[in-house]
Amino acid sequence: EVQLEQSGAEVRKPGESLRISCKGSGDMFASYWIAWVRQMPEKGLEWMGMIYPSDSDTRYSPAFQGQVTFSADKSTNTAYLQWSSLKASDTAVYYCARWAVGISLDFWGQGTLVTVSS
Amino acid sequence: DIQLTQSPSFLSASVGDRVTITCRASQDIRNALAWFQQKPGKAPKLQISAASTLHSGVPSRFSGSGSGTDFTLTISSLQPEDFATYYCQQIHMYPLTFGGGTKVEIQ
Repeated sequence: EVQLEQSGAEVRKPGESLRISCKGSGDMFASYWIAWVRQMPEKGLEWMGMIYPSDSDTRYSPAFQGQVTFSADKSTNTAYLQWSSLKASDTAVYYCARWAVGISLDFWGQGTLVTVSS
Repeated sequence: DIQLTQSPSFLSASVGDRVTITCRASQDIRNALAWFQQKPGKAPKLQISAASTLHSGVPSRFSGSGSGTDFTLTISSLQPEDFATYYCQQIHMYPLTFGGGTKVEIQ
């Protein structure tokens, strides 16, 4: 069964850095893109972009380009979402999900709550 | 960017009702549309891909239709477990975009 396990909730202060993770089961990382989706409190879903772990090719939404960094370690089947300087407006739940071409996001992680507050 | 407009934003219905949610794209996206269900505190779940293909494990009371710019998600007989928020997403062009969501609540 395909599973995506995300790292636990984080609390940070504005200006701090953070990296959260998404670990996939089996061989799913070999031939699938991993997408990141943001959901701010009481708001809808926003596609941030995605990474192809096999070669670390990335696609960023213009709204998130330069604000976050995607990376991946194919040896451990893990994808990462990173911030170098958090803002209060980064407070949200972040989901990773498997991107199946022509289908969309067919398997999702459980989400990671990131709280940024002074 | 392609904009997706869902309507209604909020829907109150009873168990057994037939429910229809619409999603309109700002330009032709062919059939490159997916529907997701999200319950409070949980990750979204894929319901339908390619506008009308039911995802594995999704009950047959769910159906999708449409192409081009106008799409619908229909629940033929609403069940208690169907009360949730539903989102459409276009996968025709980057950046991929979601609709604003439709919350289906118990009447």
